[in-house]
Amino acid sequence: QVQLVQSGSELKKPGASVKVSCKASGYTFTRYPLIWVRQAPGQGLEWMGWINTRTGHPTYAQGFTGRIVFSLDTAVNTAYLEISSLKPEDTAVYYCARGGGGGFYFDHWGQGSLFTVSS
Amino acid sequence: QSALTQPASVSGSPGQTITISCIGNSSDVGNYILVSWYQQQPGKAPKLMIYEGGMRPSGVSNRFSGSKSGNTASLTVSGLQPEDEADYFCCSYAGNSTWVFGGGTKLTVL
Repeated sequence: QVQLVQSGSELKKPGASVKVSCKASGYTFTRYPLIWVRQAPGQGLEWMGWINTRTGHPTYAQGFTGRIVFSLDTAVNTAYLEISSLKPEDTAVYYCARGGGGGFYFDHWGQGSLFTVSS
Repeated sequence: QSALTQPASVSGSPGQTITISCIGNSSDVGNYILVSWYQQQPGKAPKLMIYEGGMRPSGVSNRFSGSKSGNTASLTVSGLQPEDEADYFCCSYAGNSTWVFGGGTKLTVL
């Protein structure tokens, strides 16, 4: 069955960087795009962008460009989200999700990775 | 792009029917049929409930249905059950390979 397994929760200091992984299994990794979604504590879902798993080309949402980088390691069916210069307001759960139907909806989700940014 | 507008909360009694609205504009909801809905239970990842406006993934109850009129998409839940209590989020394609979520609606089953 399709599974997306994310790396665990982390506590980071302001100014640090963090890299979360999203390992896919149960399907052909390069046939479906991968999206990233942020959910701040008690808040809604926020679309961060997506990466074409066939070409590696990323698309970032306005407001996220400059501090985030999407990447892939197709040899191990894993996508990565790296966030630099962390701020307390980056504290959130970060989800990866598979883009179904050509990427127009998100049919399988990772369990989420909580990053807490605090001094 | 701005988040889609959803009511903060909706409630209903078991067996009743409720509808959650999702208001966008002519650049997103109004321009594409590509609206999806997600259910999120506390502490869990979101789950796809409706895609392409009104299609249900395998395994999702037919008590859930979706529709769209103009710039407004809607999720209807009929025959409310206690396990339907959750947060619900709409999401629309917004052109240029971008997507936008709604702010979310908390559904309470009284």
